Amino acid sequence: QITLKESGPTLVKPTQTLTLTCTFSGFSLSTSGVGVGWIRQPPGKALEWLALIYWNDDKRYRPSLKSRLTITKDTSKNQVVLTMTNMDPVDTATYYCAHPRGLTYSFDMWGQGTMVTVSS
Amino acid sequence: QSALTQPASVSGSPGQSITISCSGTSSDVGSYNLVSWYQHHPGNAPKLMIYEDNKRPSGVSNRFSGSKSGNTASLTISGLQAEDEADYYCCSYAGSSTVIFGGGTKLTVL
Repeated sequence: QITLKESGPTLVKPTQTLTLTCTFSGFSLSTSGVGVGWIRQPPGKALEWLALIYWNDDKRYRPSLKSRLTITKDTSKNQVVLTMTNMDPVDTATYYCAHPRGLTYSFDMWGQGTMVTVSS
Repeated sequence: QSALTQPASVSGSPGQSITISCSGTSSDVGSYNLVSWYQHHPGNAPKLMIYEDNKRPSGVSNRFSGSKSGNTASLTISGLQAEDEADYYCCSYAGSSTVIFGGGTKLTVL
């Protein structure tokens, strides 16, 4: 059974760096074809894909946020970390981590999400 | 990389069928058989309903079906039920291992 859970601060100040951790179980990021993604949803708005990391350390980012995002994995801890620099109030959102279904670029399991508010 | 275009809202009565469209471009929807659809009840995690344009994960009702023509994908829900009321998002591979979501459609069951 695959589970994912996001953790991190609920409140960050503008210009600060956000660090979110996805802790997962039921799969290994050392297995060929496996990845973890991050998606966010601002209040009242649509889902936005942010980043993907794969078993081979291939990393992909939303083009418009590429300069601000870093995704890393710790295979031994079953964790994926997303950092976003220079946070702004428009980055206020629920942040989800999710498990891609193979290499189909669909996400078959999601965490419950963590709400992050950017405010001074 | 603009969001895929979905209608903001659709509605239908119990037992009816509805279709939600998802319009993309030849760089995303039209180029790959990698459109997925998600059902999202606010406050819950999104749920994968369709992947690879028209495949259903195990456990998803066969009342949900996906199709595609050119740059437009569609999700059809037949035999509408009250519990189908939710937000629905399409998603497509957009090349270079990137992904793009639609703007979301709110389904109301009358």
